[in-house]
Amino acid sequence: DGGITQSPKYLFRKEGQNVTLSCEQNLNHDAMYWYRQDPGQGLRLIYYSQIVNDFQKGDIAEGYSVSREKKESFPLTVTSAQKNPTAFYLCASSRGIADTQYFGPGTRLTVL
Amino acid sequence: AQTVTQSQPEMSVQEAETVTLSCTYDTSENNYYLFWYKQPPSRQMILVIRQEAYKQQNATENRFSVNFQKAAKSFSLKISDSQLGDTAMYFCAFMYSGGGADGLTFGKGTHLIIQP
Repeated sequence: DGGITQSPKYLFRKEGQNVTLSCEQNLNHDAMYWYRQDPGQGLRLIYYSQIVNDFQKGDIAEGYSVSREKKESFPLTVTSAQKNPTAFYLCASSRGIADTQYFGPGTRLTVL
Repeated sequence: AQTVTQSQPEMSVQEAETVTLSCTYDTSENNYYLFWYKQPPSRQMILVIRQEAYKQQNATENRFSVNFQKAAKSFSLKISDSQLGDTAMYFCAFMYSGGGADGLTFGKGTHLIIQP
């Protein structure tokens, strides 16, 4: 089945630790995205990538980093510099940068 | 920058009724796309419907249809014959046709509850 997978589903982190969230897609999509969702809010864009080895900052990139070494994979690292990392993180992909985005199931990150 | 406003934080209707969710947006762009996404309790974000701004005809997907008023910058979602499985958060979203740094701009959502 084609789709987008995110792992883990739940993640707990101690303050001061970096953590990496996984996002994989087998849809052969060129573009991938990371969004953050807080309670009572819509989604906000963290980073996006149009193509392998290229990525751009979104609205709230501070405290996050990404890589795009493979077309299928777009991992997100939440660094200790992110002041309030507890949130729900959604990965999405699209055929191209202006095409419909499809979402993975999300990762719930909690900082203890 | 674009903004998307959903003025109804929560709505509740009886099963089989028709319900309309409101969305307004603000942009200076002329070419863009509008979307409605559904987020059930599983929190998976599911595409419901998409509208291209250059198309005058309103998009329809089975029981879901939109009323797109470009001049008024309004994009409402109508759900006919509502079902219990329609209970979810519904998000309206905007995307400039060139894509780019803004990605999708989302409203804050409407929590729709379908009562049996």
